Amino acid sequence: QLQLQESGPGVVKPSETLSLTCSVSGDSIATSLRYWAWIRQSPGKGLEWIGTIFSTGKTYYTPSLGSRITISVDKSKNHFALKLNSVTAADTAVYYCATRPRVDVPVALWGQGTLVAVSS
Amino acid sequence: IQMSQSPSTLSAFVGDRVTITCRASQNINNWLAWYQHKPGKAPKLLISRASILESGVPSRFSGSASGTEFTLTISGLQPDDFGTYYCQQYNSYSPMYTFGQGTKLEI
Repeated sequence: QLQLQESGPGVVKPSETLSLTCSVSGDSIATSLRYWAWIRQSPGKGLEWIGTIFSTGKTYYTPSLGSRITISVDKSKNHFALKLNSVTAADTAVYYCATRPRVDVPVALWGQGTLVAVSS
Repeated sequence: IQMSQSPSTLSAFVGDRVTITCRASQNINNWLAWYQHKPGKAPKLLISRASILESGVPSRFSGSASGTEFTLTISGLQPDDFGTYYCQQYNSYSPMYTFGQGTKLEI
């Protein structure tokens, strides 16, 4: 059964880089053709899709984050990663990883989420 | 594509019928999903393609569409239905998607 689990530091200092990983179990990220995504929820706000990577490595990012975001896949570790640089308090959020097999179906499988606070 | 969801909060009693509305800024050809999100948990997919109930989702949940306006209806509200409900626009050609602002349902 495919499962996702986010991990990473709970606190990041302003102007530094937020780094999270999403561990995939129950399937191989190297061989399964899926879309792997990051979604966040800032305090008091709604869900925000921030980016997706396909198993081939092609990436899609929300325009609002500009060049600050990078999503990558590590096939040897069976996980995918999020890096968000130059963070500010506005990047404080619960970050979820999620996946779907095709673009014409909505995301049905999510991790439990991890809270990242940007604070000095 | 912008998704406008209303109301932002909703209070109702057990047994009530409640309706949440989501409007798309342009035609999305019913590529619309509804999620239920509870604190500390992952969002749960309820409905896809505007009206297709996901397996295991109680039949008191239903979705409908009229042009760019979409509706989630819960008939016979249960205590476990509290949470925040989101609509989400997706499509058949791009991995990008957009959520509505959410509706917090208080029982």
